Amino acid sequence: AQTVTQSQPEMSVQEAETVTLSCTYDTSESDYYLFWYKQPPSRQMILVIRQEAYKQQNATENRFSVNFQKAAKSFSLKISDSQLGDAAMYFCAYRSGGAGSYQLTFGKGTKLSVIP
Amino acid sequence: NAGVTQTPKFRILKIGQSMTLQCAQDMNHNYMYWYRQDPGMGLKLIYYSVGAGITDKGEVPNGYNVSRSTTEDFPLRLELAAPSQTSVYFCASSYRVSRQPQHFGDGTRLSIL
Repeated sequence: AQTVTQSQPEMSVQEAETVTLSCTYDTSESDYYLFWYKQPPSRQMILVIRQEAYKQQNATENRFSVNFQKAAKSFSLKISDSQLGDAAMYFCAYRSGGAGSYQLTFGKGTKLSVIP
Repeated sequence: NAGVTQTPKFRILKIGQSMTLQCAQDMNHNYMYWYRQDPGMGLKLIYYSVGAGITDKGEVPNGYNVSRSTTEDFPLRLELAAPSQTSVYFCASSYRVSRQPQHFGDGTRLSIL
């Protein structure tokens, strides 16, 4: 079974600075997808960024980018120019690419605080 | 565009009571899911459905039942509520292919007392 580990329960960053959230995963599969979700205090789960394992290029969405290291099974999220609205829980998630694969496996999350 | 709509947002149940959490999506997604999120934890899959009339168990199905009579709706039934079912419940939906992200509702906070 796949597992997702987020080793940083809490992180903080100064407004306008850059922060990196860590995520590692364990799998024997070669085809899979990785996601970062943001959960603000409103509780809504919001997709931040997605990475396909077969793509070598790291995904980027505006101020959010990932460092995907397939051999190391690492999938970190970098937030540049941090804003107060970035304060939230961040969850890393894994989904198998195989036929009949539906489940998202989540890490325990990292709580990010943004200091004005 | 409503996306995934969950009702109710909050509910308190007594031990042994039953209730149904409602979930509806208007994106014509084939796949729908129910997750629970316990304090300090990530989400765990309870049940999922790949289309109307088809459902299957996820990681933590005990104490729950689901049905999928239409593409839009995927209710979650709690029978004989227990304190261990106190959690936040999320419904999600997605298109067929694995690379498509799941879209989540706003969650239902359920307390069993």
